[in-house]
Amino acid sequence: KAGVTQTPRYLIKTRGQQVTLSCSPISGHRSVSWYQQTPGQGLQFLFEYFSETQRNKGNFPGRFSGRQFSNSRSEMNVSTLELGDSALYLCASSLDPGPGQSAKNIQYFGAGTRLSVL
Amino acid sequence: AQKVTQAQTEISVVEKEDVTLDCVYETRDTTYYLFWYKQPPSGELVFLIRRNSFDEQNEISGRYSWNFQKSTSSFNFTITASQVVDSAVYFCALSEGNYGQNFVFGPGTRLSVLP
Repeated sequence: KAGVTQTPRYLIKTRGQQVTLSCSPISGHRSVSWYQQTPGQGLQFLFEYFSETQRNKGNFPGRFSGRQFSNSRSEMNVSTLELGDSALYLCASSLDPGPGQSAKNIQYFGAGTRLSVL
Repeated sequence: AQKVTQAQTEISVVEKEDVTLDCVYETRDTTYYLFWYKQPPSGELVFLIRRNSFDEQNEISGRYSWNFQKSTSSFNFTITASQVVDSAVYFCALSEGNYGQNFVFGPGTRLSVLP
């Protein structure tokens, strides 16, 4: 069974540009979450999507957005890039079959997209 | 608000030594989940274990063992007879509620196992 796939693995952008990152969850997984990892702030939760709807959101500015498609694939977008957006962006998927079945809520992570903003 | 503390920033041990990674958490929920993940240099977080707040039973899996104590809000992780391949950053994480999708991660502990 294929794991979580993130593309691209590496990305270099300049300030002011925008970027789109892609995540394909494990087959059958319905929930996709995004995290930002930096040396200074560690792993921080960005948002979570379930059934094409944003279900949870972390404390990030509106420049960070995402969406989920009907096949559970997800994209996140960062507009007007800043130097501080340089980070490893990790995507995680989980089965999340629904209420009362939280035993399936283990998140499995992709290898991440390393974004460098120059 | 939920919070996870991993007081050990870096640990170095010599191969075959035992090592314990500490994790202390804060939450007001009575239902929550605790996790350990390993992040090797490749960057991908690898799931190791999950515990829910109603199950304080300790667990052993090969060379890994976990000690969950609600009384001290701790969920410590021990590697017995460490190996060089255990070198990685280890994260403890907490999620609250029945869904438990919003993870809060600790800052991580970088473990270096020297040959």
